Amino acid sequence: SQKIEQNSEALNIQEGKTATLTCNYTNYSPAYLQWYRQDPGRGPVFLLLIRENEKEKRKERLKVTFDTTLKQSLFHITASQPADSATYLCALGKTSYDKVIFGPGTSLSVIP
Amino acid sequence: EAGVAQSPRYKIIEKRQSVAFWCNPISGHATLYWYQQILGQGPKLLIQFQNNGVVDDSQLPKDRFSAERLKGVDSTLKIQPAKLEDSAVYLCASSSLGLAGGQETQYFGPGTRLLVL
Repeated sequence: SQKIEQNSEALNIQEGKTATLTCNYTNYSPAYLQWYRQDPGRGPVFLLLIRENEKEKRKERLKVTFDTTLKQSLFHITASQPADSATYLCALGKTSYDKVIFGPGTSLSVIP
Repeated sequence: EAGVAQSPRYKIIEKRQSVAFWCNPISGHATLYWYQQILGQGPKLLIQFQNNGVVDDSQLPKDRFSAERLKGVDSTLKIQPAKLEDSAVYLCASSSLGLAGGQETQYFGPGTRLLVL
């Protein structure tokens, strides 16, 4: 069955540095991949979507890459700020109408 | 634009009791999802509605969980009887058809935190 893995450990980085989160998957061929942010006690919030034919996507300080050969996505936050501290979830989908499968999430703490 | 509304926010019950959660999606969103999120894990889809029809309920434990979306707007999720392992956050999300005809972006509510004792 399909499996999605994200950074197994929580990530702690210094303010101003670039945070890099990974999402690896097996036994799956997604048509697109999404990243969501989730704060404690709240529902996930959509950040970015990248499709299988796209290598990279950017939005302000966020950058996502998608390598279908390696079956991996990298999520970068440049010039990180304490306000970026949250759990980040990757999610994969086959088609626009199929269910999305979420990874377990990575907890990011940006230290001032 | 109002977001996805859920109630209650918290619920504590004893095992074998029943409980119901309510969700009101964003106006005009045809697709509604119920997810279960256990502490430290990502959300797991329980059921997906398209208007008032079920698209996917393959991971819904149908012996104890039920959901309905009458009139294709708001929805209720029920657990009867509850087990200890049902302790989790129950998230509702909705989405609409995008320019490409798909509905990849989901908008989540705040969730209902359930504790079964």
